[in-house]
Amino acid sequence: DQQVKQNSPSLSVQEGRISILNCDYTNSMFDYFLWYKKYPAEGPTFLISISSIKDKNEDGRFTVFLNKSAKHLSLHIVPSQPGDSAVYFCAASRVGAGKSTFGDGTTLTVKP
Amino acid sequence: DTGVSQDPRHKITKRGQNVTFRCDPISEHNRLYWYRQTLGQGPEFLTYFQNEAQLEKSRLLSDRFSAERPKGSFSTLEIQRTEQGDSAMYLCASRPDRGRVETQYFGPGTRLLVL
Repeated sequence: DQQVKQNSPSLSVQEGRISILNCDYTNSMFDYFLWYKKYPAEGPTFLISISSIKDKNEDGRFTVFLNKSAKHLSLHIVPSQPGDSAVYFCAASRVGAGKSTFGDGTTLTVKP
Repeated sequence: DTGVSQDPRHKITKRGQNVTFRCDPISEHNRLYWYRQTLGQGPEFLTYFQNEAQLEKSRLLSDRFSAERPKGSFSTLEIQRTEQGDSAMYLCASRPDRGRVETQYFGPGTRLLVL
C-alpha cells in the first residue's frame, strides 16, 4: 500500500517553459509535505515544503500547491533550466512523527 | 560546511557475509534516520534515533538488521548474513529537533551489492 504516489516516472520540458510535477497521497493524517531533488551519486536535497494549513508556498522559481480535499500536491518550476534536470521526490510527514514517506520519484529532463 | 557523511560509499560482498555502514550526521543534529532505496523507488524508512534512543523501526528491518547510535553522534547499520535482496542504496539523514519542520539532510548514501 503506497501512501505517496508520483504517477509520472519521467517528464521532459523545454528550457524556459514551466515544469509541473505531481504527487498524490492517501493518508489524511499527513500534515507536512516536502519536495526533494536528487542528482546521480548524491543524496536527496531539500527543495521546498508546505504545511497542510497552507495551499501554496513559493520560493524563487519553485512553487508548491496543496489541494487537501483531493490529497494532491504539485511542484511548479518556472522558468525551467537545464540544471533542474534531476529526480524529484515528493515526501509526506506527520509533524512530530519522525519519519517521512516518499514517492518513487519523477525524473525531470530540461532540454536546452 | 560539513554535511552528512557516510562510509563506505560502495560495498560489494558475497551472500552470507556481514556488512556494517557508518553515518556521521551534521554536528548537533539530534535526529538521525536510515532509509533504503532500490532502483526506481523512493527512499524507504528503516529506523530513526533521537540522540542515542532508537525511537522507531520499520517492519522492513528484519532481525538481520541492527542499528546503533551509542553516543548520540555517529550511527552504524549492520546487516548480518546478507542476501541478494539486500542490494540497495542505504541513505542516512539527520535533522535538528528545532528549525524547519521535518526537513531532513541526506548523506550521499552507501551502495551495497550482494553477489
